[in-house]
Amino acid sequence: GQNIDQPTEMTATEGAIVQINCTYQTSGFNGLFWYQQHAGEAPTFLSYNVLDGLEEKGRFSSFLSRSKGYSYLLLKELQMKDSASYLCAVRDRRGSTLGRLYFGRGTQLTVWP
Amino acid sequence: NAGVTQTPKFRVLKTGQSMTLLCAQDMNHEYMYWYRQDPGMGLRLIHYSVGEGTTAKGEVPDGYNVSRLKKQNFLLGLESAAPSQTSVYFCATLDSSGNTIYFGEGSWLTVV
Repeated sequence: GQNIDQPTEMTATEGAIVQINCTYQTSGFNGLFWYQQHAGEAPTFLSYNVLDGLEEKGRFSSFLSRSKGYSYLLLKELQMKDSASYLCAVRDRRGSTLGRLYFGRGTQLTVWP
Repeated sequence: NAGVTQTPKFRVLKTGQSMTLLCAQDMNHEYMYWYRQDPGMGLRLIHYSVGEGTTAKGEVPDGYNVSRLKKQNFLLGLESAAPSQTSVYFCATLDSSGNTIYFGEGSWLTVV
C-alpha cells in the first residue's frame, strides 16, 4: 500500500513563500499529484510530477525526487485566497493495485494579512 | 460538458437504510474512484474501477459495494447505513494520460 505524510497545518503571511512537503512510500510509483481544496468544495488540480525535477506553473511549483520518496509544493507571492488544504496524492502502478490513487491527509494552510 | 456529476448532493439516512450514490462522467475515462473525506482524515479510497465491468477494493471498502456496468457510470451502494458512514463522498476520474484527476462536486451523507 501507500504511506503518505504531510504536515497537518502551516501558516504564512501574505506575499511570502511557503513550501509544503510530502513524503511517500510505495512499491510501485507512477506519478504524484498536488491538489488544492477550499472548505466545502471539491479538490482542484495544481500539478503532476512523474519524473524527478521541478515543474513550474505561475506562482506554484512542484518538485519530485523519486529516489527519496519526496515532493514539495512551493507557493510564491502568497495571497489570502491561497488559504486552503493542499493534498498530495500518489498513483500506484503495481500489478494488483494498478491505478490506485492514494491521498495524504492534507496540509491546512492559513495565510495572514 | 458536465465532467463528473454526482447525485444526490445531500442525503440524510436512517441507520439500516440503503442508498446508492451515482457518479456519471462524460469524458470517456477508464479509471473511476470513490473516496470518503472525514475531518482530519484526508481522502480515503473506498473502491475503484479500471474499466467497464471491473471493480476493486481500496483502503476502506467495508460496508460499501460498487458497480460499473456502463463505462460512464460508477455506483456506490450502502446496503445498511451506519452512523460511521456519515461523510462527504467524492467521485473522481483519471484521464487517459494519467496526469489529471477530475473530481465531482461531492455528496454530503448523514446517517442518523
